[in-house]
Amino acid sequence: QVQLVESGGGLVKPGGSLRLSCAASGFTFSDYYMGWIRQTPGKGLEFVSYMSSGGSSIYADSVKGRFTISRDNSKNSLYLQMNSLRTEDTAVYYCARQQLGDNWFDPWGQGTLVTVSS
Amino acid sequence: QSVLTQPPSVSGAPGQRVTISCTGTSSNIGAGYDVHWYQQLPGTAPKLLIYRNRNRPSGVPDRFSGSRSGTSASLAITGLQAEDEADYYCQSYDSNLSGPGVFGTGTKVTV
Repeated sequence: QVQLVESGGGLVKPGGSLRLSCAASGFTFSDYYMGWIRQTPGKGLEFVSYMSSGGSSIYADSVKGRFTISRDNSKNSLYLQMNSLRTEDTAVYYCARQQLGDNWFDPWGQGTLVTVSS
Repeated sequence: QSVLTQPPSVSGAPGQRVTISCTGTSSNIGAGYDVHWYQQLPGTAPKLLIYRNRNRPSGVPDRFSGSRSGTSASLAITGLQAEDEADYYCQSYDSNLSGPGVFGTGTKVTV
């Protein structure tokens, strides 16, 4: 079945870095746009970044210049390199598959918690 | 900050009907862009509930229905059940933003 599994979250100090991974299975990964969406208690769901099947990427203004999305189609994996982390980046980060030719997300991974704190 | 506004909470007794509104602007719902809905059960990831305003993925009960009109969309739950207690989010494309769209502020449904 279609499955997404995130990993790489954890506790990091402000200014630090973290790399999230998302392992995909059950579908032809290279055909799909993939995205990272985060959720904080106070701000709900927020689109972070997404990458097209061709490798082009888009970022939310709040992470532009600090986060980098990438993918390795040979490994069916999506990544999010997060640098210069801030306390406001604390959230659960979800990996999600974007529907072909449309903009809804299904499925979502289980999420990985990133905590930025000194 | 989301550009799609939802009521923070709605509640209903088992068997009742509740509706959740998602209010947008002329750059998203009002421009004719489709609305999608997600259900997030406690402690789990969001799950697609409704796509393209009114379509249910396989496995979603027909108690859930969606609609869109003007600058708003609505999610209705009829025959409310205890397992429907969850957070619900709308999503739409916005022409003023880059990327696949924006999410609503979220609504907690209490049964």
